[in-house]
Amino acid sequence: EAGVTQSPTHLIKTRGQQVTLRCSPISGHTSVYWYQQALGLGLQFLLWYDEGEERNRGNFPPRFSGRQFPNYSSELNVNALELEDSALYLCASSLLGYEQFFGPGTRLTVL
Amino acid sequence: GENVEQHPSTLSVQEGDSAVIKCTYSDSASNYFPWYKQELGKRPQLIIDIRSNVGEKKDQRIAVTLNKTAKHFSLHITETQPEDSAVYFCAAQLGRESTFGDGTTLTVKP
Repeated sequence: EAGVTQSPTHLIKTRGQQVTLRCSPISGHTSVYWYQQALGLGLQFLLWYDEGEERNRGNFPPRFSGRQFPNYSSELNVNALELEDSALYLCASSLLGYEQFFGPGTRLTVL
Repeated sequence: GENVEQHPSTLSVQEGDSAVIKCTYSDSASNYFPWYKQELGKRPQLIIDIRSNVGEKKDQRIAVTLNKTAKHFSLHITETQPEDSAVYFCAAQLGRESTFGDGTTLTVKP
């Protein structure tokens, strides 16, 4: 069974630009969660999607947004990038909301 | 919402010693408590979990205990080995959302 996949692996952007990150969950998982992990820090909850709907969002500004597609894959969009957005962005998928299976992450660097 | 505190933030032990990481949570309705291990440069992976109807669970060298009354749970690693060195995250789940602790960096010295 394939695990959670994310693309791209690495990304370098400049301040003010926009970025889109992608996540494919494990087959059959309907929930996708997005987290931000700044260097050396913990997992900060960004967004939760389930069955195509945004179910909850963390304490992040509206320039962080996303969506979930009918095949349950998901995108995270970040507009007007700031230096402090530099981080590892992890997505995780879950079935019935228990164990979360994480993807390898996308390392975003904002210059 | 749920709030999870994790201690200590860093822990250094000698190989063969035990390590204990503690977490407290705020919402008594939380009913699922997983622990994830994140090795350097890798993704977090579940190592053990416990549900609110169970007080203790063990899997070889690792165990988790849950005290619902006090709203705290702990990870115990016995006979630590260098490959146990990693960041460990606890989480408390309310409904279908998990709130994570800030992580504990465990270093096992050979």
